[in-house]
Amino acid sequence: AQSVTQPDIHITVSEGASLELRCNYSYGATPYLFWYVQSPGQGLQLLLKYFSGDTLVQGIKGFEAEFKRSQSSFNLRKPSVHWSDAAEYFCAVGGISSGSARQLTFGSGTQLTVLP
Amino acid sequence: DADVTQTPRNRITKTGKRIMLECSQTKGHDRMYWYRQDPGLGLRLIYYSFDVKDINKGEISDGYSVSRQAQAKFSLSLESAIPNQTALYFCATSEPGRTDTQYFGPGTRLTVL
Repeated sequence: AQSVTQPDIHITVSEGASLELRCNYSYGATPYLFWYVQSPGQGLQLLLKYFSGDTLVQGIKGFEAEFKRSQSSFNLRKPSVHWSDAAEYFCAVGGISSGSARQLTFGSGTQLTVLP
Repeated sequence: DADVTQTPRNRITKTGKRIMLECSQTKGHDRMYWYRQDPGLGLRLIYYSFDVKDINKGEISDGYSVSRQAQAKFSLSLESAIPNQTALYFCATSEPGRTDTQYFGPGTRLTVL
């Protein structure tokens, strides 16, 4: 069964500092990987996704993520955090079509606080 | 207008009451999903539907039922609500293909007293 681990429940960074949110996944084949962001009182917004090809993917709002198969990781990064980035971030893994149920499995989330 | 809408956005109900949460989408997607979100647990899948005639249980379907009234509408029902069903509920849609990308509604905050 597929699973996702986000080891950091809560991260605090200063505005302008760099950010890395960790995500490790477990899946038996090549996964589809996603990062979503949830601002307070809002639904989930897709930041970026990886399916194949270049292992460094660019997303919205200046975020990027790197797929490392050898480490089963898909960490999210941003070089300079803005106060508006304060939110909860979810990593998710989806399965390749096999004719059976295809689902997204979410990590438990990382809450990001940005200090002025 | 939002592509995926949920009604109501907030609901307080009492134990034992029947409640329905509704989801509508204008994205034209065939696939729709219901999740619940609890603090520290991320999102967990309750039910999903790949088309109007296809309904499937997810990870935590006990105590819930669904109805896919049309391609654009997918409702979640709690037949007899209990306090541990207090959570944030999200509807999502996706289109057939290899990408599994899902698009989420704004959520319904449900409180069961």
